[in-house]
Amino acid sequence: GNSVTQMEGPVTLSEEAFLTINCTYTATGYPSLFWYVQYPGEGLQLLLKATKADDKGSNKGFEATYRKETTSFHLEKGSVQVSDSAVYFCALATSGTYKYIFGTGTRLKVLA
Amino acid sequence: ETGVTQTPRHLVMGMTNKKSLKCEQHLGHNAMYWYKQSAKKPLELMFVYSLEERVENNSVPSRFSPECPNSSHLFLHLHTLQPEDSALYLCASSQSTVMNTEAFFGQGTRLTVV
Repeated sequence: GNSVTQMEGPVTLSEEAFLTINCTYTATGYPSLFWYVQYPGEGLQLLLKATKADDKGSNKGFEATYRKETTSFHLEKGSVQVSDSAVYFCALATSGTYKYIFGTGTRLKVLA
Repeated sequence: ETGVTQTPRHLVMGMTNKKSLKCEQHLGHNAMYWYKQSAKKPLELMFVYSLEERVENNSVPSRFSPECPNSSHLFLHLHTLQPEDSALYLCASSQSTVMNTEAFFGQGTRLTVV
């Protein structure tokens, strides 16, 4: 079945450090891939998405590239801020299903 | 503001109470979802409605009863819950259950069962 695996957290970084959160997936067909962010006490917000191989999604300085050959969608940011502290979820969806499959989430803590 | 509104934001209920969670979306979407988010567990899909018809029911106990009266509203009726049902309940909607579009989430209802 379809699944998403993302790196265990928490990830603790200093402000302005480089961020990578790894995400790999298993899916039949050609899924769309998403990164969501959840701030404390809030629901999930879409951060970025990519719908086909080699697409790069980007938003607010975050980027992720859909790599079909490695079945990966790693999240990166060149310089994190304290306000980026949140939980990040990788997810996929495939045509013909009603399911968005989520990873377990990675908590990011950025220190000033 | 994501376009998906959940009420109440917080709810404390006893195990013998009956309560309902409400979700409303004004995005013109035709699919709506209930998810359960517990500490240290992955997001659990509970129910999916497409065009007001339930299309997914992930072995959820009968003490949770969904209702979708129209494409803009979704309810989750709760009765005789257990303490382990305490969690954040998230509603989401999407444009289509066929195309690969993103889901939009509400802010959630934090439920505590005492």
